[in-house]
Amino acid sequence: GENVEQHPSTLSVQEGDSAVIKCTYSDSASNYFPWYKQELGKGPQLIIDIRSNVGEKKDQRIAVTLNKTAKHFSLHITETQPEDSAVYFCAARPNFGNEKLTFGTGTRLTIIP
Amino acid sequence: EAGVAQSPRYKIIEKRQSVAFWCNPISGHATLYWYQQILGQGPKLLIQFQNNGVVDDSQLPKDRFSAERLKGVDSTLKIQPAKLEDSAVYLCASSLGYSDTQYFGPGTRLTVL
Repeated sequence: GENVEQHPSTLSVQEGDSAVIKCTYSDSASNYFPWYKQELGKGPQLIIDIRSNVGEKKDQRIAVTLNKTAKHFSLHITETQPEDSAVYFCAARPNFGNEKLTFGTGTRLTIIP
Repeated sequence: EAGVAQSPRYKIIEKRQSVAFWCNPISGHATLYWYQQILGQGPKLLIQFQNNGVVDDSQLPKDRFSAERLKGVDSTLKIQPAKLEDSAVYLCASSLGYSDTQYFGPGTRLTVL
């Protein structure tokens, strides 16, 4: 089955700086890669996703890049703000049949004011 | 649009007791998921329903866990008897179809003493 590794496990950045979180996956059939943000006491919320037919996707301060050859994808947050502090999870899934979403172990991002 | 609803939000029980969690998905969502999230880890799929049929329950400990989705809407997840290692957050998610974006509820935090 799919295995997703995520790093770093914790990340602290100064407010206004950029943050980068990286994930690698093992199943070459995976072609759907969402990123979720989980705040304390809440369920994960989708912030951005990418499918394998594109290499990069942006949404305001958030971007995701995908390298299918190397089987890794990254989340980039620019101009970080205190409300970006949360745990971020990457995930991967083959986009056929009923294959399940496999999550990484999470990155706790802390924005230092 | 109302999100995924779960109850209770918190539950504390003694080991060997039983417990049940309830989930109401987003209206019109055919696919429903139950995840287990142990502290410091990413969510792990326990069971997936498509309408009222089970699609994937390969990671559900069937000797103690059971789940049902009567009438293809609400779902309940039961643990009987509970073990200490069942302490976790139980997340419910739903999607229009199995390849669509998953939306998570707030979760139920279970503590087994």
